Amino acid sequence: EVQLVESGGGLVQPGGSLRLSCAASELPVSSNYMSWVRQAPGKGLEWVSVINWEGNTFYADSVKGRFTTSRDNSNNTVYLQMNSLRAEDTAVYYCARILGAGIDPWGRGTPVTVSS
Amino acid sequence: EVVLTQSPATLSVSPGEKATLSCRASQSISTNLAWYQQRPGQAPRLLIYGASTRDTGIPDRFSGSGSGTEFTLTISSLQSEDFAVYYCQQYDNWPPWTFGQGTKVEIK
Repeated sequence: EVQLVESGGGLVQPGGSLRLSCAASELPVSSNYMSWVRQAPGKGLEWVSVINWEGNTFYADSVKGRFTTSRDNSNNTVYLQMNSLRAEDTAVYYCARILGAGIDPWGRGTPVTVSS
Repeated sequence: EVVLTQSPATLSVSPGEKATLSCRASQSISTNLAWYQQRPGQAPRLLIYGASTRDTGIPDRFSGSGSGTEFTLTISSLQSEDFAVYYCQQYDNWPPWTFGQGTKVEIK
């Protein structure tokens, strides 16, 4: 079964750092567009970042320069390193595969709270 | 950046009735549009891509239409499990991949 499982979320102070992980099963991260999408409490979906099969990365303007997406092909895992965190980064972070048409599958998400 | 505007924000519908949700794009995106359903506490689920193609396992009461800048998601006869938030998303012009703000379908 194709599955994405996120981990690493939690409570962090403003200005702090956190690294999220996304472990993939039956889905090679090295040959897919792997993305992070977030959802602030009570809000809609916001695309955050993507890493493609060539290892190129793209970021939303709201996180550019602060977040870094990477992957470990041997562990079939994608990461989101989040630095200089702000209150507005508080959200559930979903790992998902971007297809040529649509986004599927999605993980269950991991919550991140930035607060003092 | 392509901006997607969904309407209405909230739709109150009785079980068994039809629901019609709209999504408007700020520029033409051909048929490069997907729809997602998100139930409370769950991750989004892909319903439709290519504006009108149902994903595997999606019931045929869900249908999508439109092209260019105007799109519609129709749920022909609402079941209890269909009360949720629905998002449209474009993949014509990226990055960024953008979403509409969502339409909540609630029980009337």
